[in-house]
Amino acid sequence: GDSVTQMEGPVTLSEEAFLTINCTYTATGYPSLFWYVQYPGEGLQLLLKATKADDKGSNKGFEATYRKETTSFHLEKGSVQVSDSAVYFCALITGGGNKLTFGTGTQLKVEL
Amino acid sequence: DTEVTQTPKHLVMGMTNKKSLKCEQHMGHRAMYWYKQKAKKPPELMFVYSYEKLSINESVPSRFSPECPNSSLLNLHLHALQPEDSALYLCASSQQGQGAYSYGYTFGSGTRLTVV
Repeated sequence: GDSVTQMEGPVTLSEEAFLTINCTYTATGYPSLFWYVQYPGEGLQLLLKATKADDKGSNKGFEATYRKETTSFHLEKGSVQVSDSAVYFCALITGGGNKLTFGTGTQLKVEL
Repeated sequence: DTEVTQTPKHLVMGMTNKKSLKCEQHMGHRAMYWYKQKAKKPPELMFVYSYEKLSINESVPSRFSPECPNSSLLNLHLHALQPEDSALYLCASSQQGQGAYSYGYTFGSGTRLTVV
């Protein structure tokens, strides 16, 4: 079946540091890939997405590139802020399906 | 309107109570979902409705009863819950099939349920 593997957290960074959260996937078909963010006490928000190989999703300074050859979709940001502190979920859907498969989530803490 | 609205935001109920969670969207999405999320865990799929019909039930206990009265509304009826059912319950919606594949889901902010 489909699965998503994320790096263990929590990840603790100083403000303005560079962020990478690793995500790799296994899928039976050709998936679309997503990053969702969950701020404390809130629901999930779609952060960015990519639907085919070599696509780059971007939003709010975050980026991720769909790498089919390495089955990866790593999340990056050049300079994190305290307000980026949240849990980040990598997820996928395979074509024709309605089931969103999540990774375990990575908690990010950004300190001054 | 690009939101999924869930009510109530917080709910405390006893093990003998009956309560309902409500979810509403006006994006024209024809797939709607209930998820359960425990602390520090990813959301777990409970139910999927497609064109107002239940299409997936992930072996959820019968004390959880979903209902989709129309294309905009989704309810989750709760009865005789256990303390371990305490969690954040998330509703989501998406376009059907290939639309979900391209655009993903839109989630509500959730109902935080405590069973005492």
